[in-house]
Amino acid sequence: AQSVTQLDSQVPVFEEAPVELRCNYSSSVSVYLFWYVQYPNQGLQLLLKYLSGSTLVKGINGFEAEFNKSQTSFHLRKPSVHISDTAEYFCAAQGDDKIIFGKGTRLHILP
Amino acid sequence: GAGVSQSPRYKVAKRGQDVALRCDPISGHVSLFWYQQALGQGPEFLTYFQNEAQLDKSGLPSDRFFAERPEGSVSTLKIQRTQQEDSAVYLCASSLPGTGGSGANVLTFGAGSRLTVL
Repeated sequence: AQSVTQLDSQVPVFEEAPVELRCNYSSSVSVYLFWYVQYPNQGLQLLLKYLSGSTLVKGINGFEAEFNKSQTSFHLRKPSVHISDTAEYFCAAQGDDKIIFGKGTRLHILP
Repeated sequence: GAGVSQSPRYKVAKRGQDVALRCDPISGHVSLFWYQQALGQGPEFLTYFQNEAQLDKSGLPSDRFFAERPEGSVSTLKIQRTQQEDSAVYLCASSLPGTGGSGANVLTFGAGSRLTVL
């Protein structure tokens, strides 16, 4: 069965510092992987996706993620965060047709 | 339409009432998903349609929950005899399967319907 684990429920980071949000998945079949972002009082929107090909994928707002099959991970990174990145970030995996989400990581930017 | 539209945005129900939540997906999107998001949690899968066929309903928490998409477009999630534990945001998302030549479902979400059961 599919599962997605986000190891950190909340990550505080200083503005302009780098950040990594961790995600691990389990699946018995090949997966497609996604990161979605939910800004305060807004709906979920796609940040980036891995379907195939290059394991390093780039998304909107300067975020990128790396697919690591051997470690079953898909960690999200940004070299320098801004106050506008304050949001909840959800990792998701599709193994058959349905998409399973992690519990989310709240990114808290410190001034 | 330009995006996924959900109504009502907010619904307050008394325990035991029936509620119906509507989702209008992006025109032409074949796949439609329903999720339940409790406060501070990630979206939990409820059910999935491809056109009018309900292909997976394994996430529906009880037989009080029922979803339909009779003409392969608009979908309705119905909750009968609501309980307090049903309080959550119900998210609808649609996708064109096979985005980029793959079988991936890249979801576009609606704003959600927030249900509060008193």
